[in-house]
Amino acid sequence: DAGVIQSPRHEVTEMGQEVTLRCKPISGHDYLFWYRQTMMRGLELLIYFNNNVPIDDSGMPEDRFSAKMPNASFSTLKIQPSEPRDSAVYFCASSFVAGNTEAFFGQGTRLTVV
Amino acid sequence: GENVEQHPSTLSVQEGDSAVIKCTYSDSASNYFPWYKQELGKRPQLIIDIRSNVGEKKDQRIAVTLNKTAKHFSLHITETQPEDSAVYFCAASSGSARQLTFGSGTQLTVLP
Repeated sequence: DAGVIQSPRHEVTEMGQEVTLRCKPISGHDYLFWYRQTMMRGLELLIYFNNNVPIDDSGMPEDRFSAKMPNASFSTLKIQPSEPRDSAVYFCASSFVAGNTEAFFGQGTRLTVV
Repeated sequence: GENVEQHPSTLSVQEGDSAVIKCTYSDSASNYFPWYKQELGKRPQLIIDIRSNVGEKKDQRIAVTLNKTAKHFSLHITETQPEDSAVYFCAASSGSARQLTFGSGTQLTVLP
């Protein structure tokens, strides 16, 4: 398995534009997590899915953020409209049994909103 | 919810010395405690983990200890090498929450 795959690796966009980040989890993993990493706030959990169903989205900062998982092999995190304070590295991670086994992280998407 | 505190935020050691990073957690139901290493510009990767039924675990130069009564756990790296330089994150997970809560990270620098 190639691991968790995220795209794009880097994204630069203008304030107000829509941004979509993509993630392909490891095959067979039934939990998928979206994290945001910044210097100020560290690694924050935004939302996680179990078997494609969103379980906890309490970490999503505001309504401009939305996430979907239409099937077991694909998830998206969308920001609309984007703002400069959304600039961060966004990681997707997946695991087989959440909370008690290793979470495998993707390479991350570095988002810059100008 | 779970709250994980990590100290120190930065740590510099001489090559060959030991490094210790400490974390405390708030949820007594937490039962899984992984440590992740993140090199500059890369993804966090698991280096060692411990479950609540174990007090200590070792893997070559790395060891983790857990004190459930005090709700704290520590990472010990012996005979440090320059390639150990990275940011280290502790995390905790409870059976009820299922997701990992991360500490704020420790920037470890091993000086040659």
